[in-house]
Amino acid sequence: KAGVTQTPRYLIKTRGQQVTLSCSPISGHRSVSWYQQTPGQGLQFLFEYFSETQRNKGNFPGRFSGRQFSNSRSEMNVSTLELGDSALYLCASSLGVSATPSSYNSPLHFGNGTRLTVT
Amino acid sequence: QQQVKQSPQSLIVQKGGISIINCAYENTAFDYFPWYQQFPGKGPALLIAIRPDVSEKKEGRFTISFNKSAKQFSLHIMDSQPGDSATYFCAARTEETSGSRLTFGEGTQLTVNP
Repeated sequence: KAGVTQTPRYLIKTRGQQVTLSCSPISGHRSVSWYQQTPGQGLQFLFEYFSETQRNKGNFPGRFSGRQFSNSRSEMNVSTLELGDSALYLCASSLGVSATPSSYNSPLHFGNGTRLTVT
Repeated sequence: QQQVKQSPQSLIVQKGGISIINCAYENTAFDYFPWYQQFPGKGPALLIAIRPDVSEKKEGRFTISFNKSAKQFSLHIMDSQPGDSATYFCAARTEETSGSRLTFGEGTQLTVNP
């Protein structure tokens, strides 16, 4: 079974631009979550989608948005990029068969991330 | 209250030794505690997880010890190997009114010397 696939692996953007990151979950997984990883802040929760609906959102500005498609694939968008947005963006999927997609029986599986550099 | 505190930040162990990483939390609403292992250039991979109604879980050389009253849990890696050299993250899950999220510790960089 293929794992979580994230594209592209690397991105270099300029301040003020916008960027879209893509995530394909493990086949059969309906929940997709996004996390930001930086050396200073560690792993921070961005948002979670289940059945095309955003169910949970972390403490990030509105410049960070996402969506999920009917095939469970997800995209994350960051507008008006800032230098501080440079990070590894990780997508994770789980079965999400209940209201608790990260439950013991539905663990979170991460992709290898998209490394975003903002110059 | 949402924080998970992890220590040490870095750890150096000799091959065959025991690696111990500790985490502490405050939020009693956490109900699931996974550990993730991350190698450079890769995403975190689930290593082992525990529920708060269990005091210990063992999978191969990896053991989680959980102390609910102290709100602490730890990862023990027995017979540590150079291939275990990676960054380890503890995490804790909260179930929100809709959906859930994982709160991660700061990470521990483990180096196992041959």
